[in-house]
Amino acid sequence: GQSLEQPSEVTAVEGAIVQINCTYQTSGFYGLSWYQQHDGGAPTFLSYNALDGLEETGRFSSFLSRSDSYGYLLLQELQMKDSASYFCAVVSSYKLIFGSGTRLLVRP
Amino acid sequence: DSGVTQTPKHLITATGQRVTLRCSPRSGDLSVYWYQQSLDQGLQFLIQYYNGEERAKGNILERFSAQQFPDLHSELNLSSLELGDSALYFCASSTGTSETAEQYFGPGTRLTVT
Repeated sequence: GQSLEQPSEVTAVEGAIVQINCTYQTSGFYGLSWYQQHDGGAPTFLSYNALDGLEETGRFSSFLSRSDSYGYLLLQELQMKDSASYFCAVVSSYKLIFGSGTRLLVRP
Repeated sequence: DSGVTQTPKHLITATGQRVTLRCSPRSGDLSVYWYQQSLDQGLQFLIQYYNGEERAKGNILERFSAQQFPDLHSELNLSSLELGDSALYFCASSTGTSETAEQYFGPGTRLTVT
């Protein structure tokens, strides 16, 4: 089967750095994607790691270690608008398998 | 705005009924995916179509079916509705490459079954 684990909630202060971890067990693994979803909104794509290492996109970075079946999303210089749910998703053949999401609350 | 459109935005219906949700992908995207998101739950993959053909199936109930038409829009049909089918249904599209890592989601259809 396939399973992903990520923390259910994380709280951080505006301007700080936060890391959201994701571990997975799956077959047919191509890579790990991250999505952001604000309350009442649609998921939006943030990043994708097909290879081991760090990918940086502005304030957001994502890391993958295939050997450890582990990845994380790093958010820097947190802003209030970053309060949202963040989902890791395994890219398997022709589909995305999503984790249950991490709710990030950014406090002033 | 992702470029993916879904109608209707909200749908309220009774148990036992049948509904159809509609999705138009981004211009040029050949792949369409359907997801179900229940309250405070993650996104559950239902089914994927590529250029009119079913390509992948998730935990889609037998009461649910979908299709993709020649103009690439897709419809998700939900029948014999139960209270537990109340959820947000998202459609997403992508360019159709084999990895499907980057998908563009529509605004969703909120289905309430009473």
